[in-house]
Amino acid sequence: KQEVTQIPAAPSVPEGENLVLNCSFTDSAIYNLQWFRQDPGKGLTSLLLIQSSQREQTSGRLNASLDKSSGRSTLYIAASQPGDSATYLCAVTGGGADGLTFGKGTHLIIQP
Amino acid sequence: DGGITQSPKYLFRKEGQNVTLSCEQNLNHDAMYWYRQDPGQGLRLIYYSQIVNDFQKGDIAEGYSVSREKKESFPLTVTSAQKNPTAFYLCASSPIGGANYGYTFGSGTRLTVV
Repeated sequence: KQEVTQIPAAPSVPEGENLVLNCSFTDSAIYNLQWFRQDPGKGLTSLLLIQSSQREQTSGRLNASLDKSSGRSTLYIAASQPGDSATYLCAVTGGGADGLTFGKGTHLIIQP
Repeated sequence: DGGITQSPKYLFRKEGQNVTLSCEQNLNHDAMYWYRQDPGQGLRLIYYSQIVNDFQKGDIAEGYSVSREKKESFPLTVTSAQKNPTAFYLCASSPIGGANYGYTFGSGTRLTVV
């Protein structure tokens, strides 16, 4: 069964730093990988979707990479801001009908 | 704007009571999903539906029931058989072949047993 692992919390960092969040998955036969952001008590906001045939996707200050063969993805946040403070969730799908398998998320705090 | 609407935002359930959480989408998505989120846990799949009048159990379906009478709506009932229902519930949708397009989530319902 697919398992997705994320480091639960990153050390709080001062704003302006470039950050790297990691995600690993046990079964490399994924169809795509999606990164989400969750603010306290809120739903999930999609950040980036990487198809299995792609190596990376970029949106503004965010860049996500995917290495399917090694079962890893990285979310890179450039020039972090206090507004980036949130929990970041990684999820994969095998392309079947049963949706996403999630990691437990990485909680990020950016200090002003 | 297209999106997913979950209601209510907060819900309180008494012991032995059934409650229903609403999920409506206007994205014209075929597939809909219900997830449960507990503190420190990842999201876990309760039920999913690919087409109207058809749905399948996810990993933690016991104590829950769903219906899919309309494409836009996928309500979740938390029954009295669910012994630990306090959690944050999230509804999602995707096009068929959703793996190609990603999944969209609602803003969630927080259910508390009183």
